[in-house]
Amino acid sequence: EPEVTQTPSHQVTQMGQEVILRCVPISNHLYFYWYRQILGQKVEFLVSFYNNEISEKSEIFDDQFSVERPDGSNFTLKIRSTKLEDSAMYFCASSEVGMNTEAFFGQGTRLTVV
Amino acid sequence: QKEVEQNSGPLSVPEGAIASLNCTYSDRGSQSFFWYRQYSGKSPELIMFIYSNGDKEDGRFTAQLNKASQYVSLLIRDSQPSDSATYLCAVKSSSGNTPLVFGKGTRLSVIA
Repeated sequence: EPEVTQTPSHQVTQMGQEVILRCVPISNHLYFYWYRQILGQKVEFLVSFYNNEISEKSEIFDDQFSVERPDGSNFTLKIRSTKLEDSAMYFCASSEVGMNTEAFFGQGTRLTVV
Repeated sequence: QKEVEQNSGPLSVPEGAIASLNCTYSDRGSQSFFWYRQYSGKSPELIMFIYSNGDKEDGRFTAQLNKASQYVSLLIRDSQPSDSATYLCAVKSSSGNTPLVFGKGTRLSVIA
């Protein structure tokens, strides 16, 4: 069964460092998303991406964040200068384009900023 | 601010019983409704989706939607210990590719 894959599964970084989280969406999906979940809290939307540009973004997705589709298969989330409060599970999701579509989630990357 | 509310639980049910999970949402224009299951430390896994008022059944799971009351529920029949997880209700404001708004989830514990 097709699945969304994310790497790495766990990333530890020092505050102020840049991190790149990687995702390979399901191959026939064209809509991509990043969500995050701080420990014990709800899943929060960060950004959606379609046709090589950001479709929507939340207020969480500030100038420290960026997304990119560097090639035909990968989708990345970059955090330029990590803060302690960026520590969370980051989930990539993808869906088909159109009406009544469902988003399928990757297994997540646990980011720990120390 | 679009909100999705769920009772955080834990909801404890004996094995074989029916578990009933509830969710309310604030955006009256919401169009698509999803239930995800999340085991501790894992990613959300889609269980069911519903778009129209009424009931939708899939195996042991039934989703119920009442748009007038802004209420969606999930029934799990013949609950098993493996159903023990956090159940996330998620809502989209349209039937297209808008992002999901999640509730905090209800933790379900099925006691053997």
